[in-house]
Amino acid sequence: KAGVTQTPRYLIKTRGQQVTLSCSPISGHRSVSWYQQTPGQGLQFLFEYFSETQRNKGNFPGRFSGRQFSNSRSEMNVSTLELGDSALYLCASSFRGRDEQYFGPGTRLTVT
Amino acid sequence: GQQVMQIPQYQHVQEGEDFTTYCNSSTTLSNIQWYKQRPGGHPVFLIQLVKSGEVKKQKRLTFQFGEAKKNSSLHITATQTTDVGTYFCAGPSSGTYKYIFGTGTRLKVLA
Repeated sequence: KAGVTQTPRYLIKTRGQQVTLSCSPISGHRSVSWYQQTPGQGLQFLFEYFSETQRNKGNFPGRFSGRQFSNSRSEMNVSTLELGDSALYLCASSFRGRDEQYFGPGTRLTVT
Repeated sequence: GQQVMQIPQYQHVQEGEDFTTYCNSSTTLSNIQWYKQRPGGHPVFLIQLVKSGEVKKQKRLTFQFGEAKKNSSLHITATQTTDVGTYFCAGPSSGTYKYIFGTGTRLKVLA
């Protein structure tokens, strides 16, 4: 079974731009969660989607948004990028949402 | 809001020594998960504990969920260099699908 894939793997953007990250979950998994990982803040929950519905959202500004498609693939968007948005963005898929999560390799975003 | 703390933050051990990391939640958890992240890698699921007082073993790794379901521990017996990485615990915020990750314990094993 193929693992979770994320594209792109690396991204360099400038302040004020926007970015879209993509995540393809493991086949059959309907829950996709997004996390931001930084050295200072650790792993922080962004949001979780199940069957195209956002069930939970973390404490991030409205510049961070996401969506899930009918095939369970998910995208997250960050608008008006700030330097502090530089981080590793990880998505994780699970079957239902409260079972084991399988993480993708992440997208390393650098904002200059 | 819910907080999940782990201690210690760092641990250096000689190969062959034992290692334990502790996870403490500010609220009761319905379950707890443990992950390992190698340097430069992504978190990899190790185990999920659900029942109060539950103990599970995976080879040299022993996981425990506290009686009050607010704390957990991971113990590694006779560490090996392959055990190097950061170990995270994670638990769902009450009634949600929002997983709060612990602060992590970075383990270094000296050969």
